[in-house]
Amino acid sequence: DGGITQSPKYLFRKEGQNVTLSCEQNLNHDAMYWYRQDPGQGLRLIYYSQIVNDFQKGDIAEGYSVSREKKESFPLTVTSAQKNPTAFYLCASSINVGRGRGEQYFGPGTRLTVT
Amino acid sequence: GENVEQHPSTLSVQEGDSAVIKCTYSDSASNYFPWYKQELGKRPQLIIDIRSNVGEKKDQRIAVTLNKTAKHFSLHITETQPEDSAVYFCAASIAPVGDYKLSFGAGTTVTVRA
Repeated sequence: DGGITQSPKYLFRKEGQNVTLSCEQNLNHDAMYWYRQDPGQGLRLIYYSQIVNDFQKGDIAEGYSVSREKKESFPLTVTSAQKNPTAFYLCASSINVGRGRGEQYFGPGTRLTVT
Repeated sequence: GENVEQHPSTLSVQEGDSAVIKCTYSDSASNYFPWYKQELGKRPQLIIDIRSNVGEKKDQRIAVTLNKTAKHFSLHITETQPEDSAVYFCAASIAPVGDYKLSFGAGTTVTVRA
């Protein structure tokens, strides 16, 4: 389980405020991912990054932004433009193309509540 | 993009019985199919995976089967125990080519009755 950390575990914000969720990994993984999980739904991909200084939109990127300035870090900002930001956010990482089986390892998650 | 459907959404089994979860996928190019287990309030954890060059894979009480022609794969849990109670997710991706992006099913909540 160790190797991918997310902070904080719980986060409360007022509507209209931007908030940044932290994700750090020391697994030397190339790729990192952000997912959103809502009750009764699977994991939906927000953004992903295969290498430093590069990232791609996932299926539900609107209202979110990311950066990948370091291999170990992939912070997610939930902006005020996100219509329904309350959710459980999961970060994951994997060894990149050609170097592994493709399995993703998840962090413990951050539960964001916006009121 | 890839669309993964998972059934059933909930499954209740008597301890000791078997549990089967089925998933279908839409992209015939998908070739990597992992299964994740998520206990309440915890992170998803990989429990088994299979590649499209293999039809079946077992690991103790769990097994996964893959039918490429029909584009479906299944998770089988035998001799279920209370600790098997969790939400299970299937996923599919095009790996090792592509970017390892996973498409997940909606999940199956498994409850093992003592």
